[in-house]
Amino acid sequence: DVKVTQSSRYLVKRTGEKVFLECVQDMDHENMFWYRQDPGLGLRLIYFSYDVKMKEKGDIPEGYSVSREKKERFSLILESASTNQTSMYLCASMEANYGYTFGSGTRLTVV
Amino acid sequence: DQQVKQNSPSLSVQEGRISILNCDYTNSMFDYFLWYKKYPAEGPTFLISISSIKDKNEDGRFTVFLNKSAKHLSLHIVPSQPGDSAVYFCAASAGNDYKLSFGAGTTVTVRA
Repeated sequence: DVKVTQSSRYLVKRTGEKVFLECVQDMDHENMFWYRQDPGLGLRLIYFSYDVKMKEKGDIPEGYSVSREKKERFSLILESASTNQTSMYLCASMEANYGYTFGSGTRLTVV
Repeated sequence: DQQVKQNSPSLSVQEGRISILNCDYTNSMFDYFLWYKKYPAEGPTFLISISSIKDKNEDGRFTVFLNKSAKHLSLHIVPSQPGDSAVYFCAASAGNDYKLSFGAGTTVTVRA
């Protein structure tokens, strides 16, 4: 089974901090995605990547950046955390059969 | 603007009865639809999907129906079990685009 691992289950950060959310997948998938989940809004796409060193903006990229230096790792960066970035962050990877595999999520609280 | 809409935020159903979850979409380019199930503190897991060339797909207790003219799909769970209590997300994609657009989710509670 594909495994997608997000390094932290819960994080509490202060406003203005730079925050790194790490995601690693073990099945050599080319495609990786970062979503955030908020009540009443569902999952919204922040950034995605189809290959190493490649990144594309999703629907809500403002305030975020990403890094994909290795195929298995896709990092989400909050350049200067703000309270409206308090959310559940979900990483996913997939191969060309539309099968997304999600990580367990990181619950980020910005205070 | 959300292109995939789940207008019922919650659904309560008695164990053994049918659960019907609804989903509407606005983008006529969507041609592949999926349902995901999510438990608290876990990532969503794939449940069932349907291509636009079909109007029904069945997998055990789960059936998805697609009405392209109405831009509507539904998920039927028969019979509902307590382990089905979760949040269900409808998702859609267009053509060769690997990105999924998700609805807001419906929380299903199965009562014993």
